[in-house]
Amino acid sequence: DVKVTQSSRYLVKRTGEKVFLECVQDMDHENMFWYRQDPGLGLRLIYFSYDVKMKEKGDIPEGYSVSREKKERFSLILESASTNQTSMYLCASSLSGVESYGYTFGSGTRLTVV
Amino acid sequence: GQNIDQPTEMTATEGAIVQINCTYQTSGFNGLFWYQQHAGEAPTFLSYNVLDGLEEKGRFSSFLSRSKGYSYLLLKELQMKDSASYLCAVKDSNYQLIWGAGTKLIIKP
Repeated sequence: DVKVTQSSRYLVKRTGEKVFLECVQDMDHENMFWYRQDPGLGLRLIYFSYDVKMKEKGDIPEGYSVSREKKERFSLILESASTNQTSMYLCASSLSGVESYGYTFGSGTRLTVV
Repeated sequence: GQNIDQPTEMTATEGAIVQINCTYQTSGFNGLFWYQQHAGEAPTFLSYNVLDGLEEKGRFSSFLSRSKGYSYLLLKELQMKDSASYLCAVKDSNYQLIWGAGTKLIIKP
């Protein structure tokens, strides 16, 4: 089974801190995604990547950056955390070229910024 | 713009049948997915439809009408463990998944 592992299940950070959320997948998937999920708003795409060193902005990239130095790892960075970035963050990966293939998600990181 | 609509919340009784509807307007269509998400957990894949018609998988079935931009997820013989949110998502012309906000399903004994 594909596994997508997020480094932390729960995080509490202070306003202004730099925050790193790590995601690793073990099935050689080309595509990786970072979402945030808030009640009533569903999944909102922050950034995605189709290849190593490649990144694309999603719908809500402001206040975030990403890094993909290796195929299996996709990191989300909050340069200066703010309280409105308190949310559930979900990483996902998928295979290219297979239309029926959806996304496999990590277990999520619930981030609280105080 | 792209839009996926599904009801916010539904309630059903254990042992009964429930149908969760999803309507979509997207730039292109490369398939529709249903995911299940229990509270505090990650979404997990339930079904995929790309052609019109019904796909059955045990107690769960999913239907698609591309001409109407419409899908539903049918859950039979409901169990308490089916209490979860159900997310509808469409793969658009860029092969990205566009997500609905999810339907919270509450099962009562």
